[in-house]
Parts: sequence; C-alpha cells; structure tokens
Amino acid sequence: GENVEQHPSTLSVQEGDSAVIKCTYSDSASNYFPWYKQELGKRPQLIIDIRSNVGEKKDQRIAVTLNKTAKHFSLHITETQPEDSAVYFCAASSNTGNQFYFGTGTSLTVIP
Amino acid sequence: NAGVTQTPKFQVLKTGQSMTLQCAQDMNHEYMSWYRQDPGMGLRLIHYSVGAGITDQGEVPNGYNVSRSTTEDFPLRLLSAAPSQTSVYFCASSSLAGAAGELFFGEGSRLTVL
Repeated sequence: GENVEQHPSTLSVQEGDSAVIKCTYSDSASNYFPWYKQELGKRPQLIIDIRSNVGEKKDQRIAVTLNKTAKHFSLHITETQPEDSAVYFCAASSNTGNQFYFGTGTSLTVIP
Repeated sequence: NAGVTQTPKFQVLKTGQSMTLQCAQDMNHEYMSWYRQDPGMGLRLIHYSVGAGITDQGEVPNGYNVSRSTTEDFPLRLLSAAPSQTSVYFCASSSLAGAAGELFFGEGSRLTVL
C-alpha cells in the first residue's frame, strides 16, 4: 500500500514569515494530493489540493507544489498569521478516491 | 445542511463491551469512510464504502465491522472493545463523481476503553 511521510512534525514561525511542510509518497499510482487543516478539538478541513497533471496550485496565501518524478509535494503558507496555527495533514489517493493515506501531521505554531 | 453527523461525541467502554458509532450524511455522497486518529500517527482508514451494500477494508480494519444499508448511514461497530481501540474516530464522506475529491469530516467521536 501507499506510504506517506510528512516533515517536520512541529514547526514554529514568527508571524509574517513563511512556513513549508513537505510530504513524500511511495505509490506512483497516487495522483490526488490534498492538504487538511485541523484546529485543536475540531474536524480536519480541506484547505487546498492538487492533481498529478498540475505542478503547482495557489490560493491566496497558500500554495502546493508537486514533483511526481521525485514523489514529493509541499505546502507553502506565506505571510503567516496566528490563525494559521493548527495541525496540517497531507494525504495521497489514487484517482478512484477509495483510499486516502495521510501523513502523520505537522503542528504549526505562529508566534505573534 | 447538517453535513456529516457523528454520535456519540464521547464514550467510555470497559474491555469486552460492544458499541456502535453512528455516522449520517445528508449530502447524497456515494463514498463514506471511517478513520481513527491517534497521537503521532495521523489519520488511518478503518473501512470505507462506495455505495449502499458495498463495503471494503482500509489500513486497520481488525476489530471493527461496518455495514451500508442506505446512502445516508454508515455505522461502525466494535464487537469486543480493547484498550488499543482508545482513539478519536472520524467519519468522512465524499462525492466520488468518478474522481477523488474533498473529504467532509464529522466532528469526531472520542472513545476510551478501560
């Protein structure tokens, strides 16, 4: 099965700085890569996703890049704000969407 | 719309007891799934369903049963609870529409097995 690794496990940044979270995957059949944000005590919520036919996708301060050859993808958050503090999970799935494999999460703290 | 609704939110069981976690969605989603979330281990898929009458195993299915008799409901059953099943459980649904897409999660159910 798929194996998704996520780094770092914790990340602290100053408000206004950028944050980068990286994930690798093992199964070349995976072609859908979402990122979820989970605030303390809340449910995970999708913040951005990318499919294998695209190398980069942006949504305001958030961007995701994908390198299919190297089997890794990254989440970039610019101009971080305290409300960005949360746990972020990457995931990988095949096109059928039947099984999602999640990384172990990154706890991001934005220091005001 | 209520989205994905899970009950109960909290439950304490003794080893060997059985229980059912309920999950219902009102978005007419074909796909429903159950995950467990443990510290440092992310979200791991227990079972999933791509439609009424169809279920399949995920990464960690042992000790859990599911059924899908309707599009809306996808209950998770623990037949004989063990302390290793202490976790936070999330139900999630998605509209497959021929391709992987956003998972909509319930609020979670925190289960403690003593």
